[in-house]
Amino acid sequence: SQQGEEDPQALSIQEGENATMNCSYKTSINNLQWYRQNSGRGLVHLILIRSNEREKHSGRLRVTLDTSKKSSSLLITASRAADTASYFCAWGIYNQGGKLIFGQGTELSVKP
Amino acid sequence: DVKVTQSSRYLVKRTGEKVFLECVQDMDHENMFWYRQDPGLGLRLIYFSYDVKMKEKGDIPEGYSVSREKKERFSLILESASTNQTSMYLCASSPQTGLSSGNTIYFGEGSWLTVV
Repeated sequence: SQQGEEDPQALSIQEGENATMNCSYKTSINNLQWYRQNSGRGLVHLILIRSNEREKHSGRLRVTLDTSKKSSSLLITASRAADTASYFCAWGIYNQGGKLIFGQGTELSVKP
Repeated sequence: DVKVTQSSRYLVKRTGEKVFLECVQDMDHENMFWYRQDPGLGLRLIYFSYDVKMKEKGDIPEGYSVSREKKERFSLILESASTNQTSMYLCASSPQTGLSSGNTIYFGEGSWLTVV
């Protein structure tokens, strides 16, 4: 399987705390992306980091990528109850264009 | 805004029935995808298409087929539905990408299929 792993599978924190989710993958990639899914809905793109980048920021989101370890992390700072959702990493495989492989997701619960 | 529309949000079908899940995107995207999502397994790619009439198998194509006769429409077909195909099905699209780059995938809201 080309799937990797995400950890933790579930994370429960208080509002205002930071949330960190980790993703590992198995293949050579050209980019790694993070998506968010509210319960029972489709996925929404959050951020994309290319294989030649090491860190990227977007608002309260910080993504790092370590291609030597085949891993990435998503940090959400100053979390809010509205951040409660499942978060998925996905990676694009080199030479396979737009195809993405998804991790199994981290379920984040932010308590007010 | 990009819109990916899945025709049915909830379906209940009987074992052995032929099931069609339809998906339409309005952004002239070349790539379209069908994923299946199950608890604990994440999203798994069933089929994808890079162009009209082109299709490629994903990780779990068994029991499924697809059709892409028009650029905006990508259909997933379950020839003979079985109970283990009960799942949430997600359609997605993205623009054409170069070999060394990547593009955002845009998802529909999902179709919940129950096979009884």
